[in-house]
Amino acid sequence: GESVGLHLPTLSVQEGDNSIINCAYSNSASDYFIWYKQESGKGPQFIIDIRSNMDKRQGQRVTVLLNKTVKHLSLQIAATQPGDSAVYFCAEKLGGSYIPTFGRGTSLIVHP
Amino acid sequence: ETGVTQSPTHLIKTRGQQVTLRCSSQSGHNTVSWYQQALGQGPQFIFQYYREEENGRGNFPPRFSGLQFPNYSSELNVNALELDDSALYLCASSLQHRQGGEKLFFGSGTQLSVL
Repeated sequence: GESVGLHLPTLSVQEGDNSIINCAYSNSASDYFIWYKQESGKGPQFIIDIRSNMDKRQGQRVTVLLNKTVKHLSLQIAATQPGDSAVYFCAEKLGGSYIPTFGRGTSLIVHP
Repeated sequence: ETGVTQSPTHLIKTRGQQVTLRCSSQSGHNTVSWYQQALGQGPQFIFQYYREEENGRGNFPPRFSGLQFPNYSSELNVNALELDDSALYLCASSLQHRQGGEKLFFGSGTQLSVL
């Protein structure tokens, strides 16, 4: 089975709220994690990444948190906008590999 | 835009036929990965090519094959198409180097329908 999964398949938020998308991974040998955003009719777009020697990384309006103790990854989006509506995927990569494995995805719906 | 282009964007085939999908990688990238994405699912890894050699393969049968050319563009070939092969096929390019190179840049995909 898949080693990467998501807790919530759909997340609905109001414009301006903060969004948190969660992801569980099962392989403790994973050393690199990535979040992708996929809009309808497009390929996945890189958002932010984090290596296993970090527990937090911030980008523009996005923060990724990594909790290796419970094998949990989250993506926080501040001040969510309608343009953030998309499917979000987390992916993990095993040490020594260049091949990320994707989870199922969470659909984020932002209501104006 | 990632600079990764795929063709065609849409394709309709019938069961048993063969198909070739094409991908041009981003300038300067030396690695191409192919993924299959069924509706409502995450991308599933098919295989990866690094400097014209297969560098890893997912759980797909041998009728899925590929090539990478000296300019690092790539093809995905699928023989004896089955109905379950209907999916979005994504190509991603990346630059592998000693310090990393796992960040993939995806094209918009080819939507394949098998009837």
